Amino acid sequence: GIQVEQSPPDLILQEGANSTLRCNFSDSVNNLQWFHQNPWGQLINLFYIPSGTKQNGRLSATTVATERYSLLYISSSQTTDSGVYFCPLWETSGSRLTFGEGTQLTVNP
Amino acid sequence: ETGVTQTPRHLVMGMTNKKSLKCEQHLGHNAMYWYKQSAKKPLELMFVYNFKEQTENNSVPSRFSPECPNSSHLFLHLHTLQPEDSALYLCASSLPSRGEFNYGYTFGSGTRLTVV
Repeated sequence: GIQVEQSPPDLILQEGANSTLRCNFSDSVNNLQWFHQNPWGQLINLFYIPSGTKQNGRLSATTVATERYSLLYISSSQTTDSGVYFCPLWETSGSRLTFGEGTQLTVNP
Repeated sequence: ETGVTQTPRHLVMGMTNKKSLKCEQHLGHNAMYWYKQSAKKPLELMFVYNFKEQTENNSVPSRFSPECPNSSHLFLHLHTLQPEDSALYLCASSLPSRGEFNYGYTFGSGTRLTVV
């Protein structure tokens, strides 16, 4: 099956810092979402981004489908950005989302 | 709230108990899913329903029994669970994938299950 590799696995920042999270995929990228899982377990959809670049406030994402990777940029990080970030890939053969292990982000005040 | 509501939020049950998890969405989605998230593991797909019909069962043990009475509701019936089944169970919904077109997933808040 498809492999989703996320880096870094853990990231600790001071409030106000910028960061880049990366996902590499072993297969073609047809459908991709970025999620933020808060400390209470809620998975919040950040972006649906099969290709190109999107921005939403302090967050932006870029997917380069031909090179099988996606990036999530967080600028001026806040403590509420803490949690785990996932970039699951939707397999073209069905409805399955394949998750990687995520990036655990901790933003300290 | 994301539009996908799961109840209960927390559940503690004994190995001989029978309980059910409930998921409800009013987003007009026709596909619903159960995922399991264990500590230190990636989310794992359990079941997929499209238009109330089960289309995927990811080799889930029979002690987990899903039910989808309509496109808005999804249940996961639990019986004779094991302590290793303790996990966060997440429900999600979407419009069904059609070839290369996909509209994205919406997840519920999850039920944190502890089996004692």
